[in-house]
Amino acid sequence: DAGITQSPRYKITETGRQVTLMCHQTWSHSYMFWYRQDLGHGLRLIYYSAAADITDKGEVPDGYVVSRSKTENFPLTLESATRSQTSVYFCASSVTQGAWVNTEAFFGQGTRLTVV
Amino acid sequence: SQQGEEDPQALSIQEGENATMNCSYKTSINNLQWYRQNSGRGLVHLILIRSNEREKHSGRLRVTLDTSKKSSSLLITASRAADTASYFCATGAQKLVFGQGTRLTINP
Repeated sequence: DAGITQSPRYKITETGRQVTLMCHQTWSHSYMFWYRQDLGHGLRLIYYSAAADITDKGEVPDGYVVSRSKTENFPLTLESATRSQTSVYFCASSVTQGAWVNTEAFFGQGTRLTVV
Repeated sequence: SQQGEEDPQALSIQEGENATMNCSYKTSINNLQWYRQNSGRGLVHLILIRSNEREKHSGRLRVTLDTSKKSSSLLITASRAADTASYFCATGAQKLVFGQGTRLTINP
């Protein structure tokens, strides 16, 4: 099916464990993004990627690692999970105008992560 | 800090009334986008306005952009219960950044 999918939808992990959230899109969009959403903070950008093998930090990158070896996948890894990383995580991909200007972004369903 | 900031943070109106939300941003833009988020779901794109446009319409949505004031507004006319959601503005040519959103409640 065409679209953008995140897995898992729900995850409970323990403090200190490594956890990876997956994101897959079928459109071959150049740009992909990871956001976290917490009450009172709206959506905050963690990392983004302009193309395969090109990634850059967003507003709140500390404690997270990303990679993008293939255009369609953009996994987000929490290297050593902390309780403050309990949040809802959204992945998105974007249509671009020309090569580098974002226009419409498409969002996954979100991953609700709880760190205990 | 986030690029876009919406105002008000929450808005409650009666069905059939118009709803207006505002967004302010800090740096120059190529375009500004508005999104809707229903509870617990991913965001859905509503409308994009380019920096050289002043007003844009899509169905019951009207967006204005004032680049001199670095602000935009989203007007939803003749509101319906289904419009109950959070609304976000977003800016950034490469680094797409969202504001904190306006929580809109439409009362029957």
